[in-house]
Amino acid sequence: DGGITQSPKYLFRKEGQNVTLSCEQNLNHDAMYWYRQDPGQGLRLIYYSQIVNDFQKGDIAEGYSVSREKKESFPLTVTSAQKNPTAFYLCASSPSLNTRRHYGYTFGSGTRLTVV
Amino acid sequence: AQSVAQPEDQVNVAEGNPLTVKCTYSVSGNPYLFWYVQYPNRGLQFLLKYITGDNLVKGSYGFEAEFNKSQTSFHLKKPSALVSDSALYFCAVRDGGSQGNLIFGKGTKLSVKP
Repeated sequence: DGGITQSPKYLFRKEGQNVTLSCEQNLNHDAMYWYRQDPGQGLRLIYYSQIVNDFQKGDIAEGYSVSREKKESFPLTVTSAQKNPTAFYLCASSPSLNTRRHYGYTFGSGTRLTVV
Repeated sequence: AQSVAQPEDQVNVAEGNPLTVKCTYSVSGNPYLFWYVQYPNRGLQFLLKYITGDNLVKGSYGFEAEFNKSQTSFHLKKPSALVSDSALYFCAVRDGGSQGNLIFGKGTKLSVKP
């Protein structure tokens, strides 16, 4: 079955450490996205990528970094510069915006990051 | 600029009663509208979408939504609520004339009591 996989489901980070969240999709989607969700809050866009080797900052990119070396993969690194990283992180993908604008997003099941 | 509003943070209904979760939008062109549901500690799941055509859209789990162009609304409805419908619901919009990302509302928490 096609889908989008996030790992790990739970992640614990010590203060000052960088951590990387994995996001892999086998849907052949061109675009991929990272969102942050805080308790009782909506979704805030961190980074997105519409094509391999290109990505754009979202609304809250500070303290995060991404790469898009393969179409299937869009890992998110939470750096030590992110002062309040405890949150639920969601990855999503969609077909090319240029040709499939009427498609929505497919979401992964999320990674819960906790700073200890 | 595109925007979407969900005016209610929480909606409470009794099991068996009809439910409505409200959504209004603002786009410059024709809208593409979506509803998603999120259960605790899970990703968002697609419920339904409006692209064009019939203003009443039917989706998963017995949900439907009514597109109203004059009121720029896309309210989610279900004739008879179940306790298992309790979740967080997100409305999203994309301007059909743009190449922009989906814009999500802040979400509405639906609580269905037995």
